[in-house]
Amino acid sequence: EDQVTQSPEALRLQEGESSSLNCSYTVSGLRGLFWYRQDPGKGPEFLFTLYSAGEEKEKERLKATLTKKESFLHITAPKPEDSATYLCAVQASGGSYIPTFGRGTSLIVHP
Amino acid sequence: EAQVTQNPRYLITVTGKKLTVTCSQNMNHEYMSWYRQDPGLGLRQIYYSMNVEVTDKGDVPEGYKVSRKEKRNFPLILESPSPNQTSLYFCASSLRSRGLAGASSYNEQFFGPGTRLTVL
Repeated sequence: EDQVTQSPEALRLQEGESSSLNCSYTVSGLRGLFWYRQDPGKGPEFLFTLYSAGEEKEKERLKATLTKKESFLHITAPKPEDSATYLCAVQASGGSYIPTFGRGTSLIVHP
Repeated sequence: EAQVTQNPRYLITVTGKKLTVTCSQNMNHEYMSWYRQDPGLGLRQIYYSMNVEVTDKGDVPEGYKVSRKEKRNFPLILESPSPNQTSLYFCASSLRSRGLAGASSYNEQFFGPGTRLTVL
């Protein structure tokens, strides 16, 4: 069974304090790993897709990296507007190609 | 504007009164799905559809029905709602692509704004 575990569940940072969110996964074969951002009461919004170990993608203060067992979402010098829940999802190469979501990391950035 | 729309956005109903939540996408995506999101449980998939007239159960299908008669629409039906179906519901769509050897792959999902359902 495919499993996705995100840590920590919640993270509080001061503005400018860089940190990383973790997504560890267990799948038979990885087709893709997705990161989403979700604001309270809204639908998740796509951030990145990573396909193979060693791949990295960046967008503003966010950088996503991938290894064979986990992915990190690095947040550099965060701002209060980065406060949100960050979701990770994996798509396995076998079976139905339906993504499995982690439970998310709730990030709060204090000014 | 490319988008997924859901209606209604908010709904309060009573136990046993049938309801339908509509979902529509304008991106010509093959894949559509429904999720519910509850505190501490994350996103759980209810049903999904890989194309017109093709639907399948997700992780929590009990008490729900879906149909996919047109590519753009994927309504969620609750025949007899119960209080444990009080939740935040999201519809999502995704483009299908072909990878190596013709194998299917589904790309990132576009989510609707959500429907907050309360069943009394």
